[in-house]
Amino acid sequence: QVQLQQWGAGLLKPSETLSLTCAVTGVSFSSHYWSWIRQSPGKGLEWIGEINHTGSTNYNPSLKSRVTMSVDTSTKQFSLNLSSVTAADMAVYYCARGRHIAVVTPIHWFDPWGQGTLVTVSS
Amino acid sequence: DIQMTQSPSSLSASVGDRVTITCRASQNIRKYLNWYQQKPGEAPRLLIYGTSTLQSGVPSRFSGSGSGTDFTLTISSLQPEDFATYFCQQSYSTPPITFGQGTRLEIK
Repeated sequence: QVQLQQWGAGLLKPSETLSLTCAVTGVSFSSHYWSWIRQSPGKGLEWIGEINHTGSTNYNPSLKSRVTMSVDTSTKQFSLNLSSVTAADMAVYYCARGRHIAVVTPIHWFDPWGQGTLVTVSS
Repeated sequence: DIQMTQSPSSLSASVGDRVTITCRASQNIRKYLNWYQQKPGEAPRLLIYGTSTLQSGVPSRFSGSGSGTDFTLTISSLQPEDFATYFCQQSYSTPPITFGQGTRLEIK
């Protein structure tokens, strides 16, 4: 079955760059968009952005200036970089499978999700 | 951005109860509304997509309805494993995709 396994640094200092990676197994990597979503007590669930196997991205406008997503099709992995982190970026970060690449309607859900990574920002 | 507002924010109910959770969009999202269930320490799990289509493996006691701006998630007969937090999510107008703030369903 489809599985997403994520990893990355969980403790950062203010102004550092958050880096997370998610590995996909059990499904064609080129058939979907792949998303990052974060969850914090203050902001709830927040979609960060998505990427497909060609590297085409869509980002949340509120984070766009600090977000970079990348993809490695040879290893079926995709990554998130979020620069200049502050306490406001503390959250559990999830990777998730998104919409099928051929879908042209706005139908877009997330299934499955990775296990989550708690990111703490502290000096 | 489209704002998604869920009500109630929390709810106490008993096993066997029928429960309805509401999600309201700040503008028309047609039927592009999904529901998730999240248990403590776990990632969200997709329950329903496209307003009313049950994801594979989801029990039939879950159902969804609505269109436009008003949507509901109904659990026809609560089971012990249903006590969790539920989120709605719209994908009609993106970016960004947006989520509701969640409804926590607790045991009475």
